[in-house]
Amino acid sequence: QKEVEQNSGPLSVPEGAIASLNCTYSDRGSQSFFWYRQYSGKSPELIMFIYSNGDKEDGRFTAQLNKASQYVSLLIRDSQPSDSATYLCAVNKGGATNKLIFGTGTLLAVQP
Amino acid sequence: DAGVIQSPRHEVTEMGQEVTLRCKPISGHNSLFWYRQTMMRGLELLIYFNNNVPIDDSGMPEDRFSAKMPNASFSTLKIQPSEPRDSAVYFCASRVAGGPTGELFFGEGSRLTVL
Repeated sequence: QKEVEQNSGPLSVPEGAIASLNCTYSDRGSQSFFWYRQYSGKSPELIMFIYSNGDKEDGRFTAQLNKASQYVSLLIRDSQPSDSATYLCAVNKGGATNKLIFGTGTLLAVQP
Repeated sequence: DAGVIQSPRHEVTEMGQEVTLRCKPISGHNSLFWYRQTMMRGLELLIYFNNNVPIDDSGMPEDRFSAKMPNASFSTLKIQPSEPRDSAVYFCASRVAGGPTGELFFGEGSRLTVL
């Protein structure tokens, strides 16, 4: 079992719709969770992080965390063609470690 | 302020040659990570350092790979001898250690092609 799992996609949504990206993780001791966006040929950049159960909103983005289910999601409201990219879920493992493990990413395509 | 700086940006080499990738982290960051990214396996953590000390190198694929961090502002990842399956984009990233919510900042990556 992979430590962080994501559906590779592509996930195709029309412009203006809500895009829902999902991620599961295996280590129950994981403390914090990140969503990175990576455009083709570029390096990953942070969108949001979350470490408490529930929702965290930042503009058009909402991160959701359910530690009991070991599940993290990212919602993008009013999707724009410029949101088309690969979205990487990352998990900071628990304990004293500073280790950040990434999923393989979900490719999002927003159709104009 | 400068971000994470990696060199070279592109490297094409022949099988069996030694490859050295270099990284300068953001000033003040004391955690440094080396990742490898391929289409098949995604972004894999190879090794990371805290305060210049290697903490976890369990992701280093084999003895052909080695990494050093002689000081807080410089790290190298070396592959000797290189093989075609090492072809990938290698990212260096840094952040402030200690907090679980610290943002990881990535360099632009070094694209390695081994023929």
